[in-house]
Amino acid sequence: AAGVIQSPRHLIKEKRETATLKCYPIPRHDTVYWYQQGPGQDPQFLISFYEKMQSDKGSIPDRFSAQQFSDYHSELNMSSLELGDSALYFCASSLGWDSQSTTNYGYTFGSGTRLTVV
Amino acid sequence: AQTVTQSQPEMSVQEAETVTLSCTYDTSESDYYLFWYKQPPSRQMILVIRQEAYKQQNATENRFSVNFQKAAKSFSLKISDSQLGDAAMYFCAYRSGSNAGNMLTFGGGTRLMVKP
Repeated sequence: AAGVIQSPRHLIKEKRETATLKCYPIPRHDTVYWYQQGPGQDPQFLISFYEKMQSDKGSIPDRFSAQQFSDYHSELNMSSLELGDSALYFCASSLGWDSQSTTNYGYTFGSGTRLTVV
Repeated sequence: AQTVTQSQPEMSVQEAETVTLSCTYDTSESDYYLFWYKQPPSRQMILVIRQEAYKQQNATENRFSVNFQKAAKSFSLKISDSQLGDAAMYFCAYRSGSNAGNMLTFGGGTRLMVKP
């Protein structure tokens, strides 16, 4: 079965550079979530999109922005990178916005993009 | 805001034995979902088991079961017949059931080591 695809798997950037992370949800899934997991930490919710509209916002820095496109893939854009942005960035997808649909149809994580800022 | 607490940073179990990982949470909601996720060294987040708060029966998935105590806001994971492949980081997670957003709130994680 198709899973959530994230690219790239690994990314190395220098301070003050920009980075773009991509997430391709499971086919038919219309909701995408982004999480950030720092070294030795639990994942923290950043932002989510439903039907190409931002649905919720968590602890996402102002230097970051994201969007969801017509094919439901999503991109997380990160500018003015700092050393503290080094983390594993997860994308997850689900079908439907209501909690019952999400439960019925699943909430699946991608393998993550490991961003290292040097 | 909801919080999830895992008080055991590390746990160790002998292969074939049983281990219980603890999780407590704080919420004012009555409708919610609780999850245990496994994160092996590959860093993939893998769903282990799910519990709906409105269900009194504890969820079970093969060797994995939970002890859900809603009044105590406790949600522990029991792994029976532990296998070497169970070694991983385990995260307890909470999700609101109120359609207010489907983001997950994670606990700090418990690293499980399995000894042969």
